Amino acid sequence: KAGVTQTPRYLIKTRGQQVTLSCSPISGHRSVSWYQQTPGQGLQFLFEYFSETQRNKGNFPGRFSGRQFSNSRSEMNVSTLELGDSALYLCASSRAEVEHEQYFGPGTRLTVT
Amino acid sequence: AQTVTQSQPEMSVQEAETVTLSCTYDTSESNYYLFWYKQPPSRQMILVIRQEAYKQQNATENRFSVNFQKAAKSFSLKISDSQLGDTAMYFCAFSNAGNNRKLIWGLGTSLAVNP
Repeated sequence: KAGVTQTPRYLIKTRGQQVTLSCSPISGHRSVSWYQQTPGQGLQFLFEYFSETQRNKGNFPGRFSGRQFSNSRSEMNVSTLELGDSALYLCASSRAEVEHEQYFGPGTRLTVT
Repeated sequence: AQTVTQSQPEMSVQEAETVTLSCTYDTSESNYYLFWYKQPPSRQMILVIRQEAYKQQNATENRFSVNFQKAAKSFSLKISDSQLGDTAMYFCAFSNAGNNRKLIWGLGTSLAVNP
């Protein structure tokens, strides 16, 4: 079974631009969560989607948004990029009803210049 | 608010020896899940082991085992017969039970296994 995939793997953007990251969960997984990983703040939860609905949200500004499609694929969008948004963005999926384990993709490395 | 603390930023161990990584957490919930994840250099996050709070028995996965002390809110990871491939960042994480999949993370312990 294929693992969690994320595209693109690397991205360089300029301050003020917006960016969209994509995540395809493991087949059969209906829950997708997003995390931001930085050297200073560590890993922080952004949001979780289940059956196309946002089920939980972390403490990030409204510039960070996401959505989930009927095939469970998810996207996250960051608008008006700031230098501090430079980070590794990780996506994780789980089977939701059955398990609490989350399985992670390789991440998207976003650099904002 | 729940918090997770890993007090050892860096550790090292000789190949084939045993090492224990510490983790403490704070919560007022009675049912929750605890996890150890491994992140090798420039590679993706891998689930090592999980523990459900309502289970008294400590979880074990091959060379990896935990010491779960619920009253003390402690969740340490023991790696036996350390291998070079165990070199990685190790993160302790907490999740409430129910439909919540939000993981709260410690800052990690960088483990180096030396030949």
